[in-house]
Amino acid sequence: TQLLEQSPQFLSIQEGENLTVYCNSSSVFSSLQWYRQEPGEGPVLLVTVVTGGEVKKLKRLTFQFGDARKDSSLHITAAQPGDTGLYLCAGGYNDYKLSFGAGTTVTVRA
Amino acid sequence: GAGVSQSPSNKVTEKGKDVELRCDPISGHTALYWYRQRLGQGLEFLIYFQGNSAPDKSGLPSDRFSAERTGESVSTLTIQRTQQEDSAVYLCASAVGQGGYGYTFGSGTRLTVV
Repeated sequence: TQLLEQSPQFLSIQEGENLTVYCNSSSVFSSLQWYRQEPGEGPVLLVTVVTGGEVKKLKRLTFQFGDARKDSSLHITAAQPGDTGLYLCAGGYNDYKLSFGAGTTVTVRA
Repeated sequence: GAGVSQSPSNKVTEKGKDVELRCDPISGHTALYWYRQRLGQGLEFLIYFQGNSAPDKSGLPSDRFSAERTGESVSTLTIQRTQQEDSAVYLCASAVGQGGYGYTFGSGTRLTVV
């Protein structure tokens, strides 16, 4: 099993602040996905990145895949209370399996 | 359906009893996955179905766990002789093709073994 480590484990910030969540591994992944999960719900896919060095922007969210395809980051600009949730990264390591990190719990205070 | 549907949403069972969890994938999604989520841990792969191919059962933690899927339709995950360590949220996901570009998850079944 390819291991993915996420940091920090918990993050609490004030509305309007910026935040970055990191996802690191010693393994190379064919793709890297980010999900957000709210209490009582399943994870919801935010983005998939497949090319080393790729940067994708989704409104206030910026996702980056490391050049070596071993790490990724999620940056949120001007966070809002609606961004609160558990953020999970997942790395694809064969045609169909994903390895998930333990997640980062983000709390944005109004 | 519009999304992946799982039932029941919550299940409390006594240690030693059998439980059956159900997943209705999105119509047309050939890939179906079961994952287990324990508090503070990442999602743990259990089993993968792809169309009529033999499933990848490599993630099932013991022979008490089994799953079935007929074609591209409903799947059931069965846990026999439940143990307290089986308590977790069981998530089902479906995907187009082999799922390399993302899964659609259901809301999960929260299983509590008392």
